[in-house]
Amino acid sequence: QKEVEQDPGPLSVPEGAIVSLNCTYSNSAFQYFMWYRQYSRKGPELLMYTYSSGNKEDGRFTAQVDKSSKYISLFIRDSQPSDSATYLCAMSAGAGNMLTFGGGTRLMVKP
Amino acid sequence: ETGVTQTPRHLVMGMTNKKSLKCEQHLGHNAMYWYKQSAKKPLELMFVYSLEERVENNSVPSRFSPECPNSSHLFLHLHTLQPEDSALYLCASSLGRRDSPLHFGNGTRLTVT
Repeated sequence: QKEVEQDPGPLSVPEGAIVSLNCTYSNSAFQYFMWYRQYSRKGPELLMYTYSSGNKEDGRFTAQVDKSSKYISLFIRDSQPSDSATYLCAMSAGAGNMLTFGGGTRLMVKP
Repeated sequence: ETGVTQTPRHLVMGMTNKKSLKCEQHLGHNAMYWYKQSAKKPLELMFVYSLEERVENNSVPSRFSPECPNSSHLFLHLHTLQPEDSALYLCASSLGRRDSPLHFGNGTRLTVT
């Protein structure tokens, strides 16, 4: 079993839809959770960062962490074609800042 | 200049060649990382340097040799690679604190023929 599971997609949605991206994990020691966005031929860029459980909102993006279920989500409201990218979840127990990444979900937002 | 710069962007090399990848960060960070990204696989951590000292080596074959001369520069020296080493090699940097996220460069797309 992988330590972090993420559906590879592709996930195709129409412009304006609400997108839900998810990751599950098995290591209960994880307490720092991140979402990275990676455009084609680019490196990953940090999108959202949360600590422990709860929600965090930034513009059209909302990150949720449910540590009891070992499940994290990224919601994108009013999705745009420019949101088309691969979204990587990453998490860390905090010691030494070693991140464990999911395999990424490819999102396509169609005009 | 972008925060983390990697050169070259693309590299094609034969199995007997020797080449080096270069990474430079302009963010004032003190930790630098090499990751390997292959198709349909999660990012694989290869090496970590903190304050120019290697603190992590994830069972990487010796044909990959990192070098960190200072906190702003990181190299990955390559020799006698195999075709399965073809991948996107990403450099990242961070403040090195356990709550500090990684900042990535745009990677070097390596093809081994």
